[in-house]
Amino acid sequence: DAGVTQSPTHLIKTRGQQVTLRCSPKSGHDTVSWYQQALGQGPQFIFQYYEEEERQRGNFPDRFSGHQFPNYSSELNVNALLLGDSALYLCASSLGSMNTEAFFGQGTRLTVV
Amino acid sequence: ILNVEQSPQSLHVQEGDSTNFTCSFPSSNFYALHWYRWETAKSPEALFVMTLNGDEKKKGRISATLNTKEGYSYLYIKGSQPEDSATYLCAFSLPYNFNKFYFGSGTKLNVKP
Repeated sequence: DAGVTQSPTHLIKTRGQQVTLRCSPKSGHDTVSWYQQALGQGPQFIFQYYEEEERQRGNFPDRFSGHQFPNYSSELNVNALLLGDSALYLCASSLGSMNTEAFFGQGTRLTVV
Repeated sequence: ILNVEQSPQSLHVQEGDSTNFTCSFPSSNFYALHWYRWETAKSPEALFVMTLNGDEKKKGRISATLNTKEGYSYLYIKGSQPEDSATYLCAFSLPYNFNKFYFGSGTKLNVKP
């Protein structure tokens, strides 16, 4: 079992550009959550996908959007990048509608210059 | 916004020392408290999920306790080893919130040989 995999591991973008990050959940998991960890802070919840729909969302602007595919993998898109979007983006997968153990990927380090 | 606080922010101990850290969370409307161990360049690894007041969990030299009435959890490491060096994150979740986690900013532990 490969666990949760995220790609790419690192990338550098310029202000104003758009970026897409990808996540494959742990085998058997159907729920994907995305978190942003800025330097010196704990991870902050961005949104969560279940059954290909956004089920809940944190306090992030509409520039942050996502998608979940039929195979449960997910993408996080950020438009009009700002310097402040530089962070580690973590993907977590879990099963179903209950609060259960969540498994995390290694994250994607995004640097906006 | 739900506040989850961890202390201390960082800790330096000698090999063989025992140590503990604290996670404080809102005591009302509690569902679960999660502890994660996060080594640099790796995925956060789940240590414990605790849901009941008075819960005590143990995994090898690491143990955790939970007090939901006063809103805190302690993580203990007995006889620290260099391989215990990591950031320890706690995350709080609400009922019916499908694994939407509110994270603390973590305690970074460094164990010197």
